Amino acid sequence: SQQGEEDPQALSIQEGENATMNCSYKTSINNLQWYRQNSGRGLVHLILIRSNEREKHSGRLRVTLDTSKKSSSLLITASRAADTASYFCATDEAAGNKLTFGGGTRVLVKP
Amino acid sequence: EPEVTQTPSHQVTQMGQEVILRCVPISNHLYFYWYRQILGQKVEFLVSFYNNEISEKSEIFDDQFSVERPDGSNFTLKIRSTKLEDSAMYFCASSEKRGSGISPLHFGNGTRLTVT
Repeated sequence: SQQGEEDPQALSIQEGENATMNCSYKTSINNLQWYRQNSGRGLVHLILIRSNEREKHSGRLRVTLDTSKKSSSLLITASRAADTASYFCATDEAAGNKLTFGGGTRVLVKP
Repeated sequence: EPEVTQTPSHQVTQMGQEVILRCVPISNHLYFYWYRQILGQKVEFLVSFYNNEISEKSEIFDDQFSVERPDGSNFTLKIRSTKLEDSAMYFCASSEKRGSGISPLHFGNGTRLTVT
């Protein structure tokens, strides 16, 4: 798989349920970031987790990072219809000057 | 809140023509990026730019592409001779100085380029 691959590709849930998506990557990283994209719009930064951190929270978002497995997860709790969007993980490789984005998870929250 | 602005929002051009996509990054940001996204697909890195020079570029960013920061506020992407496969949404992004890693990127809303 490529650097920063999300799983699942698509997710459909009812409002109020939790949404979990995963990201795997290949190389050593400085940090891993999650972004959200509404249809046809630019990406919006959600949360950054550093390589020496294991878990981070921001509002209804919870991110975990397991550097031994080179994977991260994003949990959105108590989802709302407004959370409908695509979510991307992005890795900052230790020897690079760019963020590498995965293919994204499309989340549909049904009211 | 400061934002990254991109113009035009939509550009239609004929194959072989030159296009210039324009971006105004956030004023105190030092790092600048171009990404592209073919409809609904992966967000692909093109180029990063710092201190008036390219920091890194991808295989996509071949000799047909160039970037410039002509006046300290604008950041442009030029495609010299467009191909059909250049049709995509092009996003500009900027970030503050980096410490131990790249700071969060602030994206514009993109320019949809259609090559006919």
